[in-house]
Amino acid sequence: KAGVTQTPRYLIKTRGQQVTLSCSPISGHRSVSWYQQTPGQGLQFLFEYFSETQRNKGNFPGRFSGRQFSNSRSEMNVSTLELGDSALYLCASSPWTGSSYGYTFGSGTRLTVV
Amino acid sequence: AQSVTQLGSHVSVSEGALVLLRCNYSSSVPPYLFWYVQYPNQGLQLLLKYTSAATLVKGINGFEAEFKKSETSFHLTKPSAHMSDAAEYFCAVRRGGGADGLTFGKGTHLIIQP
Repeated sequence: KAGVTQTPRYLIKTRGQQVTLSCSPISGHRSVSWYQQTPGQGLQFLFEYFSETQRNKGNFPGRFSGRQFSNSRSEMNVSTLELGDSALYLCASSPWTGSSYGYTFGSGTRLTVV
Repeated sequence: AQSVTQLGSHVSVSEGALVLLRCNYSSSVPPYLFWYVQYPNQGLQLLLKYTSAATLVKGINGFEAEFKKSETSFHLTKPSAHMSDAAEYFCAVRRGGGADGLTFGKGTHLIIQP
């Protein structure tokens, strides 16, 4: 069974640009969540999608957005990139939405903003 | 709001010794608790989870954790450390209802001495 696939693995962007990251969940998983990992702030929840609807959102500015497609694949977009957006972005999937499910994480996309 | 405190950003043990990684949480409602492990340049792997069933939870790779409500703790243990256990370990909490995604601790870097 294939795991959570995130593309690309590495990305370098210039300040002010926008970026789109992609996540393919485990087959059959319908919930996709996104997390940002930085040395200073640690792991922070961005948002969760289930059945193409955003269910929850973390405390991030509106420059961070996402969507989920009918096949459960998800994308997140960051507009007007800032240096502080440099981070490892992790996608996680679970079979359903709900507190008790453990997430399966992808290997992440390492975004560097210069 | 919930929070997680992991005591000790770095823990060093000898190979074959007991591993104890500490996690304390705060939550206004009964929580769901998770331990994840992260190896360099990889995503997070679920070790185990507590979802209000048995208070002693067994996970993968010989790890286990005990939920102690009176102490608001969920410490991770392994009887005998192996060199391959060297990694970053994260404790996470999600409150019942799952409105906020996972809240992670800052992580504990486990070092195994030969």
